[in-house]
Amino acid sequence: DSGVTQTPKHLITATGQRVTLRCSPRSGDLSVYWYQQSLDQGLQFLIQYYNGEERAKGNILERFSAQQFPDLHSELNLSSLELGDSALYFCASSPRQEGTQYFGPGTRLTVL
Amino acid sequence: QKEVEQDPGPLSVPEGAIVSLNCTYSNSAFQYFMWYRQYSRKGPELLMYTYSSGNKEDGRFTAQVDKSSKYISLFIRDSQPSDSATYLCAMSARDDKIIFGKGTRLHILP
Repeated sequence: DSGVTQTPKHLITATGQRVTLRCSPRSGDLSVYWYQQSLDQGLQFLIQYYNGEERAKGNILERFSAQQFPDLHSELNLSSLELGDSALYFCASSPRQEGTQYFGPGTRLTVL
Repeated sequence: QKEVEQDPGPLSVPEGAIVSLNCTYSNSAFQYFMWYRQYSRKGPELLMYTYSSGNKEDGRFTAQVDKSSKYISLFIRDSQPSDSATYLCAMSARDDKIIFGKGTRLHILP
């Protein structure tokens, strides 16, 4: 157990809908990262927050947004969902702005 | 050229064999190198972390970094069926985001 928690574990929804994924980092970690993993694309970095501020952006679509709250938990919002958004979404945390990341168990999103 | 290249496999080896997993990279600024293990439907788990060139050993696992060749390796000795998983290499430059390989699927045959 990495100490990073993610909810929900599974999410099934329809195209055009909006969902929110939640992540709680390890105790004391200030950075939160979001990744999307699909079979053909591997692990794709979406976005990083450090102590409440956005620090780095990767291949995140405009339909997706995230935030990190004062208690350091983070939420990833996915809207106008498409079939191609079906994937595993992982959250990771680290103590500092960079360095070793510890991954949560992931949320499996299925868009029908 | 992709920043990190990793053969997706699958790689099947008999139990007890030595396994060699590799990645190549193009960014000479990378100086932090990691290997993660991911079981099916689970999150990646950090296995090894090395800085710059050289070897690092932890139990049955050895990580090697050759910065001159831009090549990193993970060796697993006395492989066990429980080692069957996807192994992802990852690397970063100082103060920069981590780039992951796509992962190599490993099957250890009993």
